[in-house]
Amino acid sequence: EAGVTQSPTHLIKTRGQQATLRCSPISGHTSVYWYQQALGLGLQFLLWYDEGEERNRGNFPPRFSGRQFPNYSSELNVNALELEDSALYLCASRKRGPGETQYFGPGTRLLVL
Amino acid sequence: EDQVTQSPEALRLQEGESSSLNCSYTVSGLRGLFWYRQDPGKGPEFLFTLYSAGEEKEKERLKATLTKKESFLHITAPKPEDSATYLCAVQAGNDYKLSFGAGTTVTVRA
Repeated sequence: EAGVTQSPTHLIKTRGQQATLRCSPISGHTSVYWYQQALGLGLQFLLWYDEGEERNRGNFPPRFSGRQFPNYSSELNVNALELEDSALYLCASRKRGPGETQYFGPGTRLLVL
Repeated sequence: EDQVTQSPEALRLQEGESSSLNCSYTVSGLRGLFWYRQDPGKGPEFLFTLYSAGEEKEKERLKATLTKKESFLHITAPKPEDSATYLCAVQAGNDYKLSFGAGTTVTVRA
């Protein structure tokens, strides 16, 4: 069974630009979560998508947004990039139901110059 | 708000030297406690899910246990390939998001 995939693996942008990150969940998983892991910091919850809708978001500004497509893949957009947005962005997917495990992809390393 | 605290921050072990990692948590309505392993620059790899106090899970040299306030990850006779950052996370509420601890970085020397 294929795992969660993310693209691109690395992304370099300059301050003020926009970044788009993509995630394909495990087959049969309907929920997608996005997390940010900045250097020296733990994983911080960003966004949750389920059945095509944004269900919850973490304590991040509105310039972090995204969507989920009918095939349950997801896209994270970061507008007006700032230097502190440099981080590893991780996508996870899970089946519906309480206690179901989230499985993570390899991440996209975003560097903002 | 959910709080997860892991200790120690770093652990250096000799090959074969068993030890334990601690994860203490404060959460309302725990749905699950998860352990992941993360290698540098990679995504977390799932290890265990624990749902209720008293539960134990084992996989190779790793064993995870859960009480009402904390979880332990025991590493028995570690090998250099067990070197990684071990992350603990709790899931509560209806959004099923994970709240992570800062992790324990384990280094096993041959």
